[in-house]
Amino acid sequence: DQQVKQNSPSLSVQEGRISILNCDYTNSMFDYFLWYKKYPAEGPTFLISISSIKDKNEDGRFTVFLNKSAKHLSLHIVPSQPGDSAVYFCAASFIPRGSEKLVFGKGTKLTVNP
Amino acid sequence: NAGVTQTPKFRVLKTGQSMTLLCAQDMNHEYMYWYRQDPGMGLRLIHYSVGEGTTAKGEVPDGYNVSRLKKQNFLLGLESAAPSQTSVYFCASKNRGSDTQYFGPGTRLTVL
Repeated sequence: DQQVKQNSPSLSVQEGRISILNCDYTNSMFDYFLWYKKYPAEGPTFLISISSIKDKNEDGRFTVFLNKSAKHLSLHIVPSQPGDSAVYFCAASFIPRGSEKLVFGKGTKLTVNP
Repeated sequence: NAGVTQTPKFRVLKTGQSMTLLCAQDMNHEYMYWYRQDPGMGLRLIHYSVGEGTTAKGEVPDGYNVSRLKKQNFLLGLESAAPSQTSVYFCASKNRGSDTQYFGPGTRLTVL
């Protein structure tokens, strides 16, 4: 049973436009959410996170929104750049903070076209 | 700091052969993890460790064994490799109390 779902395997956007990557979760015990970015032949790298006590967290061109009632989060990239082309994984952590494991979604492959 | 390193980067095995993947981290992290990534499956946790001398099963532990004899190293063993274990393997580590895991560059394993 998938607890973290990324329903879009791929997304293609034009350079300069907004990219919106979506993630849904089923377990209300998730307390903290992270986005990882992965380039081919490299390991995933941490991108941005959000605590369940917030509904928005921003870091430069990247913003994550959390809607707890809908059990939904999204990553917005504005403006999108070709270097953003990668696979993006959504991950969730259980209460309490710093729990042992993360639960990952299956990833969304973003392609930003010049 | 090298962060998280993995050895080897690539390996081809024949069915039934054994091998050990080595993960090393120089960040003094307590927690270490082994994941596998397969097309369309995302990152699946194989085994993890919350400290030196301890290990625990993850989501897909069958066919693998692990050891954490030193805090900085986490070994993943395949005793009798099977084609279903063809995958990319990632090691990760994190601090206790943190949620952010730091990943190594991966090992691409092919079992023929």
